[in-house]
Amino acid sequence: NAGVMQNPRHLVRRRGQEARLRCSPMKGHSHVYWYRQLPEEGLKFMVYLQKENIIDESGMPKERFSAEFPKEGPSILRIQQVVRGDSAAYFCASSPYNLGNTEAFFGQGTRLTVV
Amino acid sequence: AQSVTQLGSHVSVSEGALVLLRCNYSSSVPPYLFWYVQYPNQGLQLLLKYTSAATLVKGINGFEAEFKKSETSFHLTKPSAHMSDAAEYFCAVSETTGANSKLTFGKGITLSVRP
Repeated sequence: NAGVMQNPRHLVRRRGQEARLRCSPMKGHSHVYWYRQLPEEGLKFMVYLQKENIIDESGMPKERFSAEFPKEGPSILRIQQVVRGDSAAYFCASSPYNLGNTEAFFGQGTRLTVV
Repeated sequence: AQSVTQLGSHVSVSEGALVLLRCNYSSSVPPYLFWYVQYPNQGLQLLLKYTSAATLVKGINGFEAEFKKSETSFHLTKPSAHMSDAAEYFCAVSETTGANSKLTFGKGITLSVRP
């Protein structure tokens, strides 16, 4: 059973471009979470999705950021018109159920650099 | 909302010495607690989890943690540090409200192991 797959591992974008980060959850997992990691700040929750639904997007910036988890295919975190402050590591996690008593499995992350 | 406090950002121990990484949480309901480890340029790997069973939880690589409700703590310990334990360690609490759930992380602690 392959783990959570994120691609690309590294992404460089110029200011103003779009960044698309992909996350394929583990087989059988229908819950996906996106986190952003900045140096010295730990991991900050961004969004929680189930298939075709956004459950909680309270951690998403109000502008330029969006996320989806379609019925078929990976979850996508999209950042439009990137700025230098978007440079960070973005991690995706998945779980088979609600996190009430189960763990989340993390991917290796996408490291976004905005130049 | 739940929160996690990891005091200090860096701990340094000698190889063979006791490892103690502190974690305190706040939660209005019985919490589920987790410790994750992150090696450089990698994703997060689960070390152990507390889900309201035994208060002393054993994890991988010789780590264990004890849930103390009276102290709202979930400190991570290992009797004898190994060079390969050098990494960043994150404590997290699972927050579930109805169908919504997510992990809230502390800021993390970097563990260095001296030869």
